[in-house]
Amino acid sequence: QQQVRQSPQSLTVWEGETAILNCSYEDSTFNYFPWYQQFPGEGPALLISISSVSDKKEDGRFTIFFNKREKKLSLHITDSQPGDSATYFCAASVRTGGADRLTFGKGTQLIIQP
Amino acid sequence: GALVYQYPRRTICKSGTSMRMECQAVGFQATSVAWYRQSPQKTFELIALSTVNSAIKYEQNFTQEKFPISHPNLSFSSMTVLNAYLEDRGLYLCGASLRAEQFFGPGTRLTVL
Repeated sequence: QQQVRQSPQSLTVWEGETAILNCSYEDSTFNYFPWYQQFPGEGPALLISISSVSDKKEDGRFTIFFNKREKKLSLHITDSQPGDSATYFCAASVRTGGADRLTFGKGTQLIIQP
Repeated sequence: GALVYQYPRRTICKSGTSMRMECQAVGFQATSVAWYRQSPQKTFELIALSTVNSAIKYEQNFTQEKFPISHPNLSFSSMTVLNAYLEDRGLYLCGASLRAEQFFGPGTRLTVL
């Protein structure tokens, strides 16, 4: 059973538009949700994260909206730039203060058309 | 910022041989290190979770006999893929945690011939 699901698998938006990437999860004990950005040939880079006590987290053009009741979250990228073209992974973990075991979704490939 | 180095970036080995990969956290002391494998389809599999002074915990389908890990200090970890076969190919990622945020290195891409 897939614990973390992402949609769509692929998304194309025009430069300047807002890209919306969706994520949902099964395990209600998950309390920490990082998003990673990965370019071809590179490792995933931590982009932004949110804990389950918040419903929104903003960092520049990137915003996470979190709905704990529905076990859903979304990443909004405003004013999309061609340089934002990458694969975005939603991950989840149970933050215990010890070792972190991340469960990843399968990713959304984002293409920004100039 | 938190940097994680991995070496080598790419490696090719013959089927049945072994290769060792290294991970180093620079600029911070990692509280734990997780090793993942990312498949060519980009899905992640957690191999094992390692904290200094604690036993390394392997996930289902991964064993110490196949993927021995050394984590001698808070900055360095190494993992060996023993007796590699085609199904072991992929991008091996090291994630070092700092205050519960996990930072990844660029990965070691393993090709098995």
